[in-house]
Amino acid sequence: QVQLVESGGGVVQPGRSLTLSCAASGFIFGHYAMHWVRQAPGKGLEWVAVIAYDGSNIYYPDSVKGRFTISRANFRNTLYLQMNSLRPEDTAVYYCAREEYGEYYFDNWGQGTLVTVSS
Amino acid sequence: QSVLTQPPSVSAAPGQEVTISCSGTSSNIGNNYVSWYQQLPGTAPKLLIYDNEKRPSEIPDRFSGSKSGTSATLGITGLQTGDEADYYCGTWHGGRRVFGTGTKVTVL
Repeated sequence: QVQLVESGGGVVQPGRSLTLSCAASGFIFGHYAMHWVRQAPGKGLEWVAVIAYDGSNIYYPDSVKGRFTISRANFRNTLYLQMNSLRPEDTAVYYCAREEYGEYYFDNWGQGTLVTVSS
Repeated sequence: QSVLTQPPSVSAAPGQEVTISCSGTSSNIGNNYVSWYQQLPGTAPKLLIYDNEKRPSEIPDRFSGSKSGTSATLGITGLQTGDEADYYCGTWHGGRRVFGTGTKVTVL
């Protein structure tokens, strides 16, 4: 079955960096676009980044553009999110999610990893 | 930052029906498919509806979706206590994805 397992969350000071990982299994990872979506405590969902199945296209919302970098290693079935210059408002549970090529919805989600930005 | 507007909450008694609206613009909902997600307390979101009205095979037909113009609607019939959750609509615009503000469904 499809599994997405995030890791790398934790407590980090403002201005520092953190890298999240998402290990995929149960499907052909290289056939799917992958996303990061976050949810601040008690708040709604916020889309963070997308990377095409082959890494050819990448998009971010303005809130993280220039600070976050999404990447993937298809040979490792792994998705990454490098987060630099972290701010307290980046505190959230970060989910990775799968999107089939040519479709525009998230058909599978990981369980999430919590990132807390605090001094 | 959500560009899609949903009512904060809706409620109904068990067995009743609720509808959740999702309002956008011609730049997002008006020209793209809408999906819906259910988030039970303490869990990750789960796909409920895609392409405006289609259901994954494991989703019961008590859940339905529709779209008209720049708005979409999620309907839940035969409400059950297990349906208490947050519900989000989603779509895309210019490569970027957007979510609704979220609606909490309470079963009275």
